[in-house]
Amino acid sequence: DAKTTQPTSMDCAEGRAANLPCNHSTISGNEYVYWYRQIHSQGPQYIIHGLKNNETNEMASLIITEDRKSSTLILPHATLRDTAVYYCIVRHRNNAGNMLTFGGGTRLMVKP
Amino acid sequence: ETGVTQTPRHLVMGMTNKKSLKCEQHLGHNAMYWYKQSAKKPLELMFVYNFKEQTENNSVPSRFSPECPNSSHLFLHLHTLQPEDSALYLCASSPRGAGGNQPQHFGDGTRLSIL
Repeated sequence: DAKTTQPTSMDCAEGRAANLPCNHSTISGNEYVYWYRQIHSQGPQYIIHGLKNNETNEMASLIITEDRKSSTLILPHATLRDTAVYYCIVRHRNNAGNMLTFGGGTRLMVKP
Repeated sequence: ETGVTQTPRHLVMGMTNKKSLKCEQHLGHNAMYWYKQSAKKPLELMFVYNFKEQTENNSVPSRFSPECPNSSHLFLHLHTLQPEDSALYLCASSPRGAGGNQPQHFGDGTRLSIL
């Protein structure tokens, strides 16, 4: 699976959009981009995933560049409860065992 | 409520003790996973079970022994652990084992402390 690079930390004002970038320049055509987050003292929570097209659900939007070398997770109106570590993971669609490889993630701090 | 329940939430044990961690999923999934999260380190995959069969052992020491009696339950049996085994142990499940693009659903983990 391709490696990802994320900023170590980011701040965001409450009520504003949080835009979390992820670089995955070695991604192949059959690899999905997944986003999870981990709030303190909890297990990771699935947010969204995509292959080529932009995706949106009730939690967030995922914007994938046309060359697929990077993506951005958007939380449209961040709240204090969105403070967490956000993980961007690339996984091959035929990844045997459905394994996820977590990196260090981005620690998002939402401030009042 | 993620549909994946882990017990106990906290466990303190001595190095000579034997204990077990339990994971139960109520999502009808066919694959289950154990991860280890040490302080200031990324999550590390330990074991993968697909349809009750172990399909991945990520070079985990034998003092950790997994058991998957059915697709809904997963155990991690612990014996003669070391202080460096203190960590958060996370269980996850997903709808399909091999391949596909289904996300994993995690429990909230067992915080293990080895004295």
